[in-house]
Amino acid sequence: DIQMTQSPSTLSASVGDRVTITCRAGQNITDWVAWYQHKPGQAPKLLIYKASSLRSGVPSRFSGSVSGTEFTLTISSLQPDDFATYYCQQFKAFGLGTRVEVK
Amino acid sequence: HLQLQESGPGLVKPSETLSLTCSVSGDSMNSPSYYWAWIRQPPGKGLEWMGSAYYSGHHLYDPALKSRLTLSVNMSKTQFSLRLTSVTAADTAVYYCARENWDDVEDAFDVWGQGTMVTVSS
Repeated sequence: DIQMTQSPSTLSASVGDRVTITCRAGQNITDWVAWYQHKPGQAPKLLIYKASSLRSGVPSRFSGSVSGTEFTLTISSLQPDDFATYYCQQFKAFGLGTRVEVK
Repeated sequence: HLQLQESGPGLVKPSETLSLTCSVSGDSMNSPSYYWAWIRQPPGKGLEWMGSAYYSGHHLYDPALKSRLTLSVNMSKTQFSLRLTSVTAADTAVYYCARENWDDVEDAFDVWGQGTMVTVSS
């Protein structure tokens, strides 16, 4: 089974901070990893696909990268609208999520 | 553009069967590039993929749910459905339907419904 180990589980940050979230895949199978933003009461929103491709309409402060089996989501300058939970996903497996909260 | 909307009961009794429907509008369901998926989020927990259905009838299920889960696609009604038998409190969750896109976004879930809360309780 594919497993995605996501860290940290919670991240406290301020507006303007650079934020990094990491997912480690159990095996180096593919770079088909996606990242989602999820806010309470809303549908999850696809931000990044294929590790580093920014979905159309998503602000450029969001970016994704990969090094071996480690996948990273970076928010270059955190905005008020970015406080949410973020999930990585590879095939059918989701990470456990990272809650980005106000510091 | 594609829109998905879940519908079904908000409350189900233990041991009974949960049935949910996802109505699809704005695009065709019969593209070979898409699977039609169900994903749930139990209270306080993360997203859990349950299963995906292909327009041709092929299905993929989470092994942990395979014995209780049935997915179906109704092309004429442009909707797809979930049937989960013998539910317990552990099945209490927000249930989302989503499009799994193999083509444009390399197997990501690119369109989601708003989600429907299902509580299992007597």
